[in-house]
Amino acid sequence: DVKVTQSSRYLVKRTGEKVFLECVQDMDHENMFWYRQDPGLGLRLIYFSYDVKMKEKGDIPEGYSVSREKKERFSLILESASTNQTSMYLCASSLGAAGGYEQYFGPGTRLTVT
Amino acid sequence: QKEVEQNSGPLSVPEGAIASLNCTYSDRGSQSFFWYRQYSGKSPELIMSIYSNGDKEDGRFTAQLNKASQYVSLLIRDSQPSDSATYLCAVLRGSNYQLIWGAGTKLIIKP
Repeated sequence: DVKVTQSSRYLVKRTGEKVFLECVQDMDHENMFWYRQDPGLGLRLIYFSYDVKMKEKGDIPEGYSVSREKKERFSLILESASTNQTSMYLCASSLGAAGGYEQYFGPGTRLTVT
Repeated sequence: QKEVEQNSGPLSVPEGAIASLNCTYSDRGSQSFFWYRQYSGKSPELIMSIYSNGDKEDGRFTAQLNKASQYVSLLIRDSQPSDSATYLCAVLRGSNYQLIWGAGTKLIIKP
């Protein structure tokens, strides 16, 4: 079974702090994704990566950056947290062209910025 | 027009009946389609994928795809209260690995 883990289930940070969210997958997947999910707005893609050190902006990249130094790990960074970044953050991975585009999700991190 | 549209619901279905969830998409060139289930407070989990026109069955779930009409549906037979969740439809966007997500349909199975 595919396993995607995220570093924290719940996180509380203060406005202006730099926040790191970590995601690790154990199935040698090529692609990794960061989403945020808010009531009434659905899943929105922040960034994705299709290879180590490669990244592409999603629909809402402003205020975020990412890092993928190793294939299994994809980090989301909030450079200066703001209250409007309070949300559920979901990491996902997919095998890629060779094996399919199904995305498998981690358990999510509920971030509250005060 | 949204790229992937779903009725937000809630859709209320009696226990034991068939629940029918629908999804339409705008990109006629789309080739890969996915259904996910999301319980409240949890992350989405894959139910099934479908790539060819017609039906695909997996246990109590059947996905149906009609590319000419640009819709994909999910049928849940013998609905159980544990099927109560939000069901998300996703469509693969071109060749850059992204999935385009519908807003989800909330399904309630009434005992």
